[in-house]
Amino acid sequence: DAGVIQSPRHEVTEMGQEVTLRCKPISGHNSLFWYRQTMMRGLELLIYFNNNVPIDDSGMPEDRFSAKMPNASFSTLKIQPSEPRDSAVYFCASSLIQGRYTFGSGTRLTVV
Amino acid sequence: AQKVTQAQTEISVVEKEDVTLDCVYETRDTTYYLFWYKQPPSGELVFLIRRNSFDEQNEISGRYSWNFQKSTSSFNFTITASQVVDSAVYFCALSDFTGNQFYFGTGTSLTVIP
Repeated sequence: DAGVIQSPRHEVTEMGQEVTLRCKPISGHNSLFWYRQTMMRGLELLIYFNNNVPIDDSGMPEDRFSAKMPNASFSTLKIQPSEPRDSAVYFCASSLIQGRYTFGSGTRLTVV
Repeated sequence: AQKVTQAQTEISVVEKEDVTLDCVYETRDTTYYLFWYKQPPSGELVFLIRRNSFDEQNEISGRYSWNFQKSTSSFNFTITASQVVDSAVYFCALSDFTGNQFYFGTGTSLTVIP
């Protein structure tokens, strides 16, 4: 099993540009989560999906953030326009068993 | 409100020493889950343990052990005979009964010195 796959691993972009982060969950997992990790705020849940349907997006910081899950094997987190304060590591995780998550390796985003 | 507190920001120990990472949580739920995750320098998050609120049995897995005490709302993690490979950031987390709403502590960075 390849695990949860995130791409890119690193992204450097200029302020104002659109950024798209990608996640491929583990096959068969029915829940997918997007987290953001920063030194100041630690790990924050941004949004999660059950069976491809967004269940709770209350953690999404602003309208500049959007997430989609068009099918069971793919999800995107988009930031448009990006700002320097969006710089963080973004983790995707998937699960089948309640609470037992597998995390991807994360995408380190730097907005300059 | 749900909250997880890991008061120890950084800990350094010499190899083979035992070390305990503290975790204190707050919740109004009667059913909830507690977790520990390890984040090595490579960045990924590794699941270590899940414990539900009705199971206060302590657990041991190799050099790892966990002490869950509802009376003090604590879920502490002990590494016995620490090794350099244990160096990582360790996160304690709390979830509601669905397992979908997670609250992470800020993490404890453990450095094991050879």
